[in-house]
Amino acid sequence: KNEVEQSPQNLTAQEGEFITINCSYSVGISALHWLQQHPGGGIVSLFMLSSGKKKHGRLIATINIQEKHSSLHITASHPRDSAVYICAVLPSTGNQFYFGTGTSLTVIP
Amino acid sequence: EAQVTQNPRYLITVTGKKLTVTCSQNMNHEYMSWYRQDPGLGLRQIYYSMNVEVTDKGDVPEGYKVSRKEKRNFPLILESPSPNQTSLYFCASSLDLFNEQFFGPGTRLTVL
Repeated sequence: KNEVEQSPQNLTAQEGEFITINCSYSVGISALHWLQQHPGGGIVSLFMLSSGKKKHGRLIATINIQEKHSSLHITASHPRDSAVYICAVLPSTGNQFYFGTGTSLTVIP
Repeated sequence: EAQVTQNPRYLITVTGKKLTVTCSQNMNHEYMSWYRQDPGLGLRQIYYSMNVEVTDKGDVPEGYKVSRKEKRNFPLILESPSPNQTSLYFCASSLDLFNEQFFGPGTRLTVL
């Protein structure tokens, strides 16, 4: 079974805090996808990565293939960052994605 | 504007009445996919398509059909909907398997 686990499930932070969301998976992968789901339900892609680190604005994603682990960091968090963050993996043996159940982030002003 | 469109956005129907949810993308993407999202279970892949005329089952294909006759369209067909197919459905597309996916706005389906 291709398990993807995210932690924490829920996270509340004060505006300005540094936030880390974790994703662990159990199989070898070709790529990992970080998604953001807004309170209204829409889903936006944040990063697709297969090694190392990517940065976009205040968001940073890292992946350690050997440890089967990825982190999403948000620097200087803002209330508009409040959303559900979802990790998805593409196993190296297949063409379909497997998703974590998401981390619900609330940033309080 | 580059986008993935889905229709309808909301649908309430009854058990056994065939329905189709349309999905269209204007980005010339090769890879298209359908997902359902349920509380506590997260997103699960129903079907995907690597290219025109190439479709394959995802994790939860039972009760669904798809077709990919043209690159831009990837409809999801429920031949005989049942209440356990009540869910939020997303269509997505990407250039290929290793590029970021663009998601449609979602279709909230209720089967009574």
